[in-house]
Amino acid sequence: DTGVSQDPRHKITKRGQNVTFRCDPISEHNRLYWYRQTLGQGPEFLTYFQNEAQLEKSRLLSDRFSAERPKGSFSTLEIQRTEQGDSAMYLCASSSAKGAGTLHFGNGTRLTVT
Amino acid sequence: DQQVKQNSPSLSVQEGRISILNCDYTNSMFDYFLWYKKYPAEGPTFLISISSIKDKNEDGRFTVFLNKSAKHLSLHIVPSQPGDSAVYFCAARGVSGGSNYKLTFGKGTLLTVNP
Repeated sequence: DTGVSQDPRHKITKRGQNVTFRCDPISEHNRLYWYRQTLGQGPEFLTYFQNEAQLEKSRLLSDRFSAERPKGSFSTLEIQRTEQGDSAMYLCASSSAKGAGTLHFGNGTRLTVT
Repeated sequence: DQQVKQNSPSLSVQEGRISILNCDYTNSMFDYFLWYKKYPAEGPTFLISISSIKDKNEDGRFTVFLNKSAKHLSLHIVPSQPGDSAVYFCAARGVSGGSNYKLTFGKGTLLTVNP
């Protein structure tokens, strides 16, 4: 169990640019989640994949956001035309379908939009 | 509308004493509750959980209590250690609308354990 890996750890970008984040879940986990955390808040759900199927998207995920999990393994989260309000920690988590499905989180990608 | 509430942004305790972190929820469809611990620059780490069919779950120094009628849960840490200093998030999962995989988090409580 190597844990959930996220890349990059930090990203600074100028408003209007596109950014893409990658998440590698725990290998035997078929469920993958993206959350966003802003200062003083808890993680907020963005989207959920079961294998390669994206089964739910939060209304927080505007049209500028897109997530993929093409082969049911790693996932990418892309933000187009970034805005200052997109500055946050983007957390990826994975879980198995067995038992209670406790989420295992990566260390996140901190995005700063200037 | 926040469905999971942690009303204490911070808590400070002395090493060796008990730490009690509280959490309230409003959605009666929540059936499973979890506590996560988060250190700076790291992702949240699972700590302990409890099903709605139980009222207590214990794991070493950590005990979670659930009062369903009051929609309240608490995390007890005994004895507290300086390494426990972190932000603690309460989270809940429900079966409403089939979303039995999605966690709803509170805002967190910063615990500081003083040597």
